[in-house]
Amino acid sequence: GAGVSQSPRYKVTKRGQDVALRCDPISGHVSLYWYRQALGQGPEFLTYFNYEAQQDKSGLPNDRFSAERPEGSISTLTIQRTEQRDSAMYRCASSPGTGGYEQYFGPGTRLTVT
Amino acid sequence: ELKVEQNPLFLSMQEGKNYTIYCNYSTTSDRLYWYRQDPGKSLESLFVLLSNGAVKQEGRLMASLDTKARLSTLHITAAVHDLSATYFCAVDIPKTGSEKLVFGKGTKLTVNP
Repeated sequence: GAGVSQSPRYKVTKRGQDVALRCDPISGHVSLYWYRQALGQGPEFLTYFNYEAQQDKSGLPNDRFSAERPEGSISTLTIQRTEQRDSAMYRCASSPGTGGYEQYFGPGTRLTVT
Repeated sequence: ELKVEQNPLFLSMQEGKNYTIYCNYSTTSDRLYWYRQDPGKSLESLFVLLSNGAVKQEGRLMASLDTKARLSTLHITAAVHDLSATYFCAVDIPKTGSEKLVFGKGTKLTVNP
């Protein structure tokens, strides 16, 4: 079946521009997660949704980062006024529920801020 | 703050040999996950360990969890080249209201002929 999909796969933007990254989870998965992965490192948690409710946003670096999942399915991670330090791979994951379910990761969006 | 440490971070081994990757974590948890990542690819789930003493095996890989020692191991038996990848362990803390995973830095495994 279809896995987690993300778009765009690559995004190059100029410093100061806003970007929106999209995640389409596996159908029926109620939980959705955003992570950021630097080269040579493990993914770092950003935020987590259960259905449409944002349950944990403790990993968002600052208030330029926001995320939504208005209908409990597709999610958008928005970065306003991008900075070069925002350049990274942004990965989305989904799981069927909470409490010990594995998370299935998408292919990621490679963001480069010039 | 939960910390997850893996060692070694880099592992070069010969085909046919056995080796173990270690994952230590700093806070009580009984939920540990192992993932594999190939270069330029996403993360693929290998094992989910949900209780003390849990052991799971798939092919040449076997994972175990000791929650008292806060330690998981990933044992590689008779390594083959196809196992070359980066392996991550990750932990979450139940009953905190968050299901976030905290990852180790990863172990980059290279299996040489």
